[in-house]
Amino acid sequence: AQSVTQPDIHITVSEGASLELRCNYSYGATPYLFWYVQSPGQGLQLLLKYFSGDTLVQGIKGFEAEFKRSQSSFNLRKPSVHWSDAAEYFCAVGAPGYGGSQGNLIFGKGTKLSVKP
Amino acid sequence: EAGVVQSPRYKIIEKKQPVAFWCNPISGHNTLYWYLQNLGQGPELLIRYENEEAVDDSQLPKDRFSAERLKGVDSTLKIQPAELGDSAVYLCATTPRGGDTQYFGPGTRLTVL
Repeated sequence: AQSVTQPDIHITVSEGASLELRCNYSYGATPYLFWYVQSPGQGLQLLLKYFSGDTLVQGIKGFEAEFKRSQSSFNLRKPSVHWSDAAEYFCAVGAPGYGGSQGNLIFGKGTKLSVKP
Repeated sequence: EAGVVQSPRYKIIEKKQPVAFWCNPISGHNTLYWYLQNLGQGPELLIRYENEEAVDDSQLPKDRFSAERLKGVDSTLKIQPAELGDSAVYLCATTPRGGDTQYFGPGTRLTVL
């Protein structure tokens, strides 16, 4: 069965420092991969997605992610973190048939990011 | 463009009481999802609609949960009776026809006492 693992429950970084959030997936075919961000009391906002093509994808708010098939990973990165980036980040993979008759997402448990001044 | 609207945003009820959540999708979005998000967890799908048809309700606990999407637009999710373990955030998401991205509403936070 498809699954998504986010190994880090909570990460704290200093403002201005670089960030990498890890995501590993279990999937037999080429996956549809997503990163969402959730601020307190808010719904999930899409940061970026990977379906095919260039394995380095750019998203909103200065985030990027790299798809590495050999490592089954889709890690999220940002070169310089801002205090407003403090939130919870979710990695997700499209279930089989995503985009067709089965459009479900399978989410990881999330990584909470805290930013120190 | 208005986003996905959910109401109420917060609901506190006593166990065994019924409760209903409402979702209004982005205009033109034909696919609608209800997710359950427990504290410290990622969202988990409850049900997916394509227009007015529930195409995947395999994860919906049908003994107490029900959902409807009349006319393929707004949707309601109901719990009757609520249990303590139902305390969670209920998220609605929608996707446009032919689209690949789900747009989420702010969710309804349910507390069952």
